[in-house]
Amino acid sequence: KQEVTQIPAALSVPEGENLVLNCSFTDSAIYNLQWFRQDPGKGLTSLLLIQSSQREQTSGRLNASLDKSSGRSTLYIAASQPGDSATYLCAVRPSNYGGSQGNLIFGKGTKLSVKP
Amino acid sequence: EAGVAQSPRYKIIEKRQSVAFWCNPISGHATLYWYQQILGQGPKLLIQFQNNGVVDDSQLPKDRFSAERLKGVDSTLKIQPAKLEDSAVYLCASSRRTGEGEKLFFGSGTQLSVL
Repeated sequence: KQEVTQIPAALSVPEGENLVLNCSFTDSAIYNLQWFRQDPGKGLTSLLLIQSSQREQTSGRLNASLDKSSGRSTLYIAASQPGDSATYLCAVRPSNYGGSQGNLIFGKGTKLSVKP
Repeated sequence: EAGVAQSPRYKIIEKRQSVAFWCNPISGHATLYWYQQILGQGPKLLIQFQNNGVVDDSQLPKDRFSAERLKGVDSTLKIQPAKLEDSAVYLCASSRRTGEGEKLFFGSGTQLSVL
């Protein structure tokens, strides 16, 4: 059974720091991995999607990497800003037997606070 | 383009009462999902629709939860009767498969408190 773990559960950094959020998953048979952002009282916003054949994806100050064999992904945020404060969730889409896609399995998230 | 619309935003009910949530997905999105997010947890899939057909409802507590998507557009999720452990945010999401893989768009959710 696929399990997704995110460490740390919470992180507080001063503005301007570069930071890394970690995500690990127990089964390397995945179709893709996604990073989401969730603001308080809001739904989830997709940030980056990495296909299983890819190693990384970049969008602005965000860079996500994927090491499928070791079951790990990292989300790198450069030059953090107070507006980056939110909960960041990692989700994997399992690749089922026969090549079909499973449904997204989410981690519990990392709550990030960027202090001015 | 307009996002995924959900209503109500908040609902407070007593246990054993009934409640219904409504979702209007992004226009043209064939796939619709309902997720349950308990405080401090990641979202858990309850049910997935493709047009108006159910693709996956394996994690839906069918003794008390029901969902429908008439005409393949709007969807409603109902809980009857509610239990204390149903207190959570109920998120609706929709998607249209792209060449890069399926990207989900989420609504703001309905926060349910069962007293």
